[in-house]
Amino acid sequence: DAKTTQPNSMESNEEEPVHLPCNHSTISGTDYIHWYRQLPSQGPEYVIHGLTSNVNNRMASLAIAEDRKSSTLILHRATLRDAAVYYCILTLMRNTPLVFGKGTRLSVIA
Amino acid sequence: DAGVTQSPTHLIKTRGQQVTLRCSPKSGHDTVSWYQQALGQGPQFIFQYYEEEERQRGNFPDRFSGHQFPNYSSELNVNALLLGDSALYLCASSLSRGRGETQYFGPGTRLLVL
Repeated sequence: DAKTTQPNSMESNEEEPVHLPCNHSTISGTDYIHWYRQLPSQGPEYVIHGLTSNVNNRMASLAIAEDRKSSTLILHRATLRDAAVYYCILTLMRNTPLVFGKGTRLSVIA
Repeated sequence: DAGVTQSPTHLIKTRGQQVTLRCSPKSGHDTVSWYQQALGQGPQFIFQYYEEEERQRGNFPDRFSGHQFPNYSSELNVNALLLGDSALYLCASSLSRGRGETQYFGPGTRLLVL
């Protein structure tokens, strides 16, 4: 499985934008980039995914580099509820098992 | 929609015992995956069930086994428990048809082995 590299932790002020980076230099042409997050005492929660183009949904935006070797998850206005561990995962579609790393622990300061 | 539910929420067992964890998938989902999450680590894939068959398996010993029922619910069984089996066990459901890209996770069962 292609590996991803994320910072261990990041900090943000409430209501500020947050950019969470992910490096995946060995990504293959068929790998999708997924982001999940895990709030304290909960199971992981799907955030967003993409293949080549930037993606937006109600939770976040995903910016994918042109060479696909890196991506950035963007939370437009962080809230206290966004404090979680964010995982960047590469996977083929159709129920491929998710391979989680340690993720980035995001702290949001009021 | 109830989402993915798991039972029990917490469990304490002793070494050598056996345990059964249960999962009900999100309504309409037919595929169930199980993950183990040790403290401070990301979840690790155990196995996946579809049409009552184990379809994929991660790097876990035979002590870990599972079952999927006709209503798509699933069980995870662990025999001969070790202290190292203490972890949060997560169930995720998804849809095999269509794009099926999103896995929905339950809240997990926290197992403590003494």
